[in-house]
Amino acid sequence: GALVYQYPRRTICKSGTSMRMECQAVGFQATSVAWYRQSPQKTFELIALSTVNSAIKYEQNFTQEKFPISHPNLSFSSMTVLNAYLEDRGLYLCGARQQNTGQLYFGEGSKLTVL
Amino acid sequence: GDQVEQSPSALSLHEGTDSALRCNFTTTMRSVQWFRQNSRGSLISLFYLASGTKENGRLKSAFDSKERRYSTLHIRDAQLEDSGTYFCAAEEPGYQNFYFGKGTSLTVIP
Repeated sequence: GALVYQYPRRTICKSGTSMRMECQAVGFQATSVAWYRQSPQKTFELIALSTVNSAIKYEQNFTQEKFPISHPNLSFSSMTVLNAYLEDRGLYLCGARQQNTGQLYFGEGSKLTVL
Repeated sequence: GDQVEQSPSALSLHEGTDSALRCNFTTTMRSVQWFRQNSRGSLISLFYLASGTKENGRLKSAFDSKERRYSTLHIRDAQLEDSGTYFCAAEEPGYQNFYFGKGTSLTVIP
């Protein structure tokens, strides 16, 4: 079956430091990977959509300088939260889109706590 | 702005009863996906629809095929294990972006 592994599951970092998270699609080819942040209030924000061999498209309020993304092949993507501050807290989720069906599969998320 | 409006935001159901969740879209959407988020934060995919209806056990989902501006998730004979937070996510045509609703927190009570 189609699975998405995301790690680390949780990180506690000091204000101003960075956190890198990785997303691995297993059992399928992901044509695109969408990175989301779920706030403590449970609201989802789309950060960026990354399609292999295309430019990464960031949503308003999110930039490559703050959230650089790497998407080298159809099964792996990573994103870093640079200079994390309190407002960056939340659960970061990657959604990998299956090439054949178009369905999104999610990892378990990487929870970021900033002290 | 919010492309996806999900309702209700919270719902309590007695075991054995039926109910429905709904997502309205501010524009025509290409597809919709429904998820349940468990206590660990994992998003479990329930349905993915480009049109029509799908059914799986006590759950059934429909996506308005005509105007493509709303979707519903029906829960039949609610059980305690159905408790959780349900999200819909809708895809804009041509952009491949899925936008989430704000979720429905469902509590099934004995």
